[in-house]
Amino acid sequence: GAVVSQHPSRVICKSGTSVKIECRSLDFQATTMFWYRQFPKKSLMLMATSNEGSKATYEQGVEKDKFLINHASLTLSTLTVTSAHPEDSSFYICSGESGLPYNEQFFGPGTRLTVL
Amino acid sequence: QKEVEQNSGPLSVPEGAIASLNCTYSDRGSQSFFWYRQYSGKSPELIMFIYSNGDKEDGRFTAQLNKASQYVSLLIRDSQPSDSATYLCAAERSAGNMLTFGGGTRLMVKP
Repeated sequence: GAVVSQHPSRVICKSGTSVKIECRSLDFQATTMFWYRQFPKKSLMLMATSNEGSKATYEQGVEKDKFLINHASLTLSTLTVTSAHPEDSSFYICSGESGLPYNEQFFGPGTRLTVL
Repeated sequence: QKEVEQNSGPLSVPEGAIASLNCTYSDRGSQSFFWYRQYSGKSPELIMFIYSNGDKEDGRFTAQLNKASQYVSLLIRDSQPSDSATYLCAAERSAGNMLTFGGGTRLMVKP
């Protein structure tokens, strides 16, 4: 399958700081990338859909001003958690879509964010 | 009502047995369905996808789809302890190419 990387894999920060997470498709071009959040023992919850060169589409209940998404190229999308608070602590996972015909999503390894 | 439902388990099977994982979905317009495996603390890994009614086999895995019943299943033959993980079912939304995930079924394969 296609390879997606994420950086950093783990981050611990103080409350009020901003954290940027990078998601890269290494061996394919992902016109669409997705950002998910996963709390312990829960399933993946889609936060937003990111299309290269356009504004991200956020799911209901996700604050776009708090979770800034930039998809500057076909291989890179970034998620910035602004003014992070302890309740933002979670496992953040991105995925890149392979495109037609089956639109499989390949996931990055995830970023574990802990806000103190 | 959840859009994609799975029994959370745990489903416990002995090594070498067939593990049967089930999933139902509510969006009748969904056309493609995916099974992902997720080990604890790791991100999901795509196992199989299916978009036609019937069975699709890949090695020890068989995905089954019944669109009339809105039902998807994954069979794992000759289960191994290394198959112990949470299996996530996902349906592609009819509006857009986003995936909706079920809550996952935890599978435990006992030696």
